[in-house]
Amino acid sequence: DIQLTQSPSFLSASVGDRVTITCRASQGISSYLAWYQQIPGKAPKLLIYAASTLQSGVPSRFSGSGSGTEFTLTISSLQPEDFATYYCQQLIAYPWTFGQGTKVEIK
Amino acid sequence: QITLKESGPTLVKPTETLTLTCTFSGFSLSTFALGVGWIRQPPGKALEWLGVIFWNDDKHYDPSLKSRLTFTKDTSKNQVVLTLTNLDPVDTATYYCARRLISGGYHRLDYWGQGTLVTVSS
Repeated sequence: DIQLTQSPSFLSASVGDRVTITCRASQGISSYLAWYQQIPGKAPKLLIYAASTLQSGVPSRFSGSGSGTEFTLTISSLQPEDFATYYCQQLIAYPWTFGQGTKVEIK
Repeated sequence: QITLKESGPTLVKPTETLTLTCTFSGFSLSTFALGVGWIRQPPGKALEWLGVIFWNDDKHYDPSLKSRLTFTKDTSKNQVVLTLTNLDPVDTATYYCARRLISGGYHRLDYWGQGTLVTVSS
């Protein structure tokens, strides 16, 4: 199975901060990576797919980059509604594994 | 408008079989290239991918659950059914179904159900 490791696992940030989350794959996955946001008590929501394509309706402050084994999710200016847990997922090989999550909390 | 909703028991006993239904609207699983995936999340833990069923009835399962897990679809009812046998307390989780879309060769889970919490306990 392809393992995804997210860093950090937890981060504390303030409204307006620029936030970057990293996802590293145990082997190359080209651009077959998606990012999801999960607010507590809610279902995950797709933010980005194909490593850098913004899902329709997602604010432009979210962006994704990377290819191969290293990927980043960036929030350019953190908003109150962005405090959540973020997951990456690889979709190049079964099983389509998820990272362990990064929880973004209010400083 | 695309929606998905999971339904089934909230409490099951160890060794029993879990049957969950994902009922969806706004798309058809007879449409070329569409699929429905299943994901679960133990309380306070990360998402776990369980598998996916496609429009052509192709299926892929997580290897660790493959011997206990089955997906079926009823296209006429817009439903996908998950069956998980020989339950254990570690199967306690919120179970989600989600639509799998592909474009340009890239998969994603673009619409999710609200999830249903299943507790395995005697």
